[in-house]
Formats: sequence, structure tokens, C-alpha cells
Amino acid sequence: AQTVTQSQPEMSVQEAETVTLSCTYDTSESDYYLFWYKQPPSRQMILVIRQEAYKQQNATENRFSVNFQKAAKSFSLKISDSQLGDAAMYFCAYRSNFGNEKLTFGTGTRLTIIP
Amino acid sequence: EAGVAQSPRYKIIEKRQSVAFWCNPISGHATLYWYQQILGQGPKLLIQFQNNGVVDDSQLPKDRFSAERLKGVDSTLKIQPAKLEDSAVYLCASSSRGVLYNEQFFGPGTRLTVL
Repeated sequence: AQTVTQSQPEMSVQEAETVTLSCTYDTSESDYYLFWYKQPPSRQMILVIRQEAYKQQNATENRFSVNFQKAAKSFSLKISDSQLGDAAMYFCAYRSNFGNEKLTFGTGTRLTIIP
Repeated sequence: EAGVAQSPRYKIIEKRQSVAFWCNPISGHATLYWYQQILGQGPKLLIQFQNNGVVDDSQLPKDRFSAERLKGVDSTLKIQPAKLEDSAVYLCASSSRGVLYNEQFFGPGTRLTVL
């Protein structure tokens, strides 16, 4: 079974600075997706960024980028120019491309933005 | 496009009582998921429907939890009888085949407190 580990329960960053959230996963599969989801205090989970395992190029979405290290099974999220609206729980998630499409989540990192 | 709708948003019950949650997915989304998110943890899949058929219910405590998706649209999740450890946020998500990576869209969740 796949597992996802987020070792940072809480992180904080000054507004306009850069922060990196860590995620490692364990799988024996070679074809899968990795995701970062954001869950603000209102609890609606929204997708931040996704990475396809067969793509070597790291995904980027505006201020959000990932560092995907497939051999090391590492998938970190970098948030540049942090804004107050970035404050939320961030979840790393794994999805196999075989069988059903369920997401396996990590335990989350609570990000606080310091004005 | 309307998002995933869930009701109620909050529910407080005594242990051994029954409770039901309702989910209306995004129009046209064939796949519907129910996740349980216990405080301090990431969401865990309880059950996945494809249209009105069950794809995966391996993590559903079937002695007390039940779910149905009549007509392949709305879904209800029921707990009977509830236990203290069922206190959690119950998230509904939906996705559509035909999209490259079948992104899951989440509802706002129902926060259940069992006293």
C-alpha cells in the first residue's frame, strides 16, 4: 500500500518570503500522480498543483512550484512571495494510475503567514 | 459551474444515535467519493462510487456505516449507531472521466461531533 508522509506539522513564513513544504511517499509503482491540496479554515479542499510521475520537468503554477525527486520519492512544494491568503493546511496526496483513483493523503502541514 | 454541495455543514449528536449526510456532486461527474477527515489527519477514503455502483468500500466500517448513490447522482452517507471516534469532517468529492487526470473536486464538508 502507498503511504504519504509530511514531517512538518506546522510551518510559518514572513509575508513576501519563500517557504518549502516537504513530502515523501512510498510506492512500488512507476506510474502515478502527486498533488498538493490547500485546505483553508473554511475546509473546502482545492488543488494547488499536480505532478505526473513520468514527467521529469517540475510542475509550476504561478507562485507555486514543486521539486519532484522520483528516485528519492520526494515531492516538496515551494511557495514564493507568500501572501496572507496562502495561510491554510497543505496536504500532499498520491494517486495511482492503476485501479481506482483514490487519493492517499499525508497528515498535512499548517502554514501560517506572518504579516 | 456549481461546485460539490454538502449538507448539513455541522451536526452534533449523542453516541448511539443515527446521522445522515448528503452530497450533490458537480453535474455530469460520474465518480463520487466520501472521505473521513479526523482532526490532525489527512482525509481517508471511505467509499467510491462510479455512477451508482461501488468501486471501493474497503475502508468503510460496514457494521455501522452505509452509503448509497441512487440514480448515479446524489449520495447519502449514514452512520448508525454513531461512536465517539466517528467525530470527524466528512468530505464528499466528485470527478469526471475524460479529463486527463480526473481531478477531484471537494465539497465544504460536514463536521460531525459525537458526544
